[in-house]
Formats: sequence, C-alpha cells, structure tokens
Amino acid sequence: QSALTQPASVSGSPGQSLTISCTGISSDVGGYNYVSWYQQHPGEAPKLMIYDGTNRPSGVSYRFSGSKSGSTASLTISGLQAEDEADYFCSSHTRSNTWVFGGGTRLTVL
Amino acid sequence: EVQLVQSGAEVKKPGESLKISCHVSGYNFAIYWIGWVRQMPGKGLEWMGIIYPADSDTTYSPSFQGQVTISADKSISTAYLQWSSLKASDTAIYFCARQNIGNAFDIWGQGTMVTVSS
Repeated sequence: QSALTQPASVSGSPGQSLTISCTGISSDVGGYNYVSWYQQHPGEAPKLMIYDGTNRPSGVSYRFSGSKSGSTASLTISGLQAEDEADYFCSSHTRSNTWVFGGGTRLTVL
Repeated sequence: EVQLVQSGAEVKKPGESLKISCHVSGYNFAIYWIGWVRQMPGKGLEWMGIIYPADSDTTYSPSFQGQVTISADKSISTAYLQWSSLKASDTAIYFCARQNIGNAFDIWGQGTMVTVSS
C-alpha cells in the first residue's frame, strides 16, 4: 500500500491559519472516517492531534481542526504559534484492515 | 498514569537477532491493541503492525509481513517486536503505541533506536 500524499512543507506567520492536506484513495481515506493526525517535534514521540477525521482528544488546543472531503483529509491550524512548528503526519485505516501514514509535512513558523 | 516504556537503544551487526520491548502500565493491557511504527533516520512514520494482547491476534503491514514478528505477554503487560536476522536497512527508531479512540494511537512509547552496522 502506498503512503498517503502530503505536501513536504508548509509555512506561515504567527497568527495566520494554514491547512495541511492528506490525499489517499477510495480504499483508505475515501472509504473510512478513521483519519488521524499526529504532531511530532524533533527528538520526540508523535502526539495525537485529531482522530476520526474531526475530533480533538482532550488537552489538544481548539486551534487544531480536521475535515475530510472525498479522499482528501485536511488539518487546519488557526492562530499559528511558534510552538506549532513541527512535523505533521496523517494516518488512515485501509480496506486491508491495516493503517497507512502520510509522508509527513514540515510546518515552519516564519 | 498511562505509560508505554520501551527498552533501550540497541547496536547490532547484520544477521543478528533482536527483540525489543514495550512495557505498559496504567490500564488493562490485554484489551487495547498495541501497534509498532518505524521511523528511519530523517524520514516519516511507517505503520508496521498491530497486536491484540488478549488473544495475540496480529495484523502486519504487507511491507513488514515476514520481516518482523510482533508478540505480547499478558502476564507482564509487555509487547515485543523482533527480528531473526537484522539488515542495515532496519536502522531506525521504533515506536510502540496504544490504539484507542477512533482507532488512533493515543499514547506512544518514547521510541527505541536500533542501529545495525558491521
């Protein structure tokens, strides 16, 4: 199975909003609502930010939101802050009853 | 407090075997799936496989099927990832993680660095 497609990098200034896309196919992102997003700072383990496409775990800032349209999921970060600078990975359940990650997006706060 | 604590860094030679561990505390180990994720140096996350400790039901990514073995010991709340013959390309950080809400990985171990070099 191929990795989900994410932009390699995105950047924005503090206070801005930006969106990271995650494109799959009908047998993964397009076929299930089990899309999750993870944030990873250098040298740390990933942290769950969004699950089921749109839900935030307890403790995750309201500035993070998720959505999905067809086979593309999106993570939107509003009111960008310096601490948001990190790598972001999407993940989806697949028809084969496995999971697949996206290639990852490096977010830079200018 | 829910914790997944992984075994320490390993340095091995090609062809050697290895078993790394992920010890769980703070919840009922048996009834949550535990997964393993690979991160090669400077690269992204790769889903390797997952195990249900209650009955050791296991699913592997096609990319890792036959390359590694995932197991669990309920009596000591520990999951394992093992190789029978390591290759240099197995050099990576390996994370264990609990699958919970929305079938997402909500709690992660700190990672185990595995270096395979002659």
